[in-house]
Amino acid sequence: GAGVSQSPSNKVTEKGKDVELRCDPISGHTALYWYRQSLGQGLEFLIYFQGNSAPDKSGLPSDRFSAERTGGSVSTLTIQRTQQEDSAVYLCASTVPWGGDEQYFGPGTRLTVT
Amino acid sequence: RKEVEQDPGPFNVPEGATVAFNCTYSNSASQSFFWYRQDCRKEPKLLMSVYSSGNEDGRFTAQLNRASQYISLLIRDSKLSDSATYLCVVNEARGYNKLIFGAGTRLAVHP
Repeated sequence: GAGVSQSPSNKVTEKGKDVELRCDPISGHTALYWYRQSLGQGLEFLIYFQGNSAPDKSGLPSDRFSAERTGGSVSTLTIQRTQQEDSAVYLCASTVPWGGDEQYFGPGTRLTVT
Repeated sequence: RKEVEQDPGPFNVPEGATVAFNCTYSNSASQSFFWYRQDCRKEPKLLMSVYSSGNEDGRFTAQLNRASQYISLLIRDSKLSDSATYLCVVNEARGYNKLIFGAGTRLAVHP
């Protein structure tokens, strides 16, 4: 009964470096979401994947951010040329295929850009 | 205007108190509504869905007023373990379940 897993749990990087964050959704969940949560703030939607459909990338804050999902399962979120304002917790969530309201979240990756 | 607005709190209440949180949302086409709970430095977890007729789960009661675009959560007989941030969440159902999260209301229950 594994839940959503994310790695790494913590990442400290220097400004200007690229980072890659990984999400393993619950097996059988075809819908996958990425969010960002800055300190004391709500969750900010970044991107949504559903099966083989084109992802909704409308929440990505800049072209430095990209995400992919290989084989309909694992997803990676890549941030290029990181900036200090990218520091946040990056959360991944998955849901059952179509119509599942409840989102199951991973523990998040805490990114700190120095 | 934020899509989902909540009073950030904190609400500091003694054990046994009744506390109510409110939330407003801006999109009248929103389809479904939820309260999630988020413990400090943890991921959000679904607390309960909110139905038009109002619904209760033990000490927790949620209500929805579509006309006023207003959602509430009432916690009775507060426990120390209720201390957390409560996130108001709205599903805008834009072809898929796009959840919009409020910034949360922090609750601290003290002995």
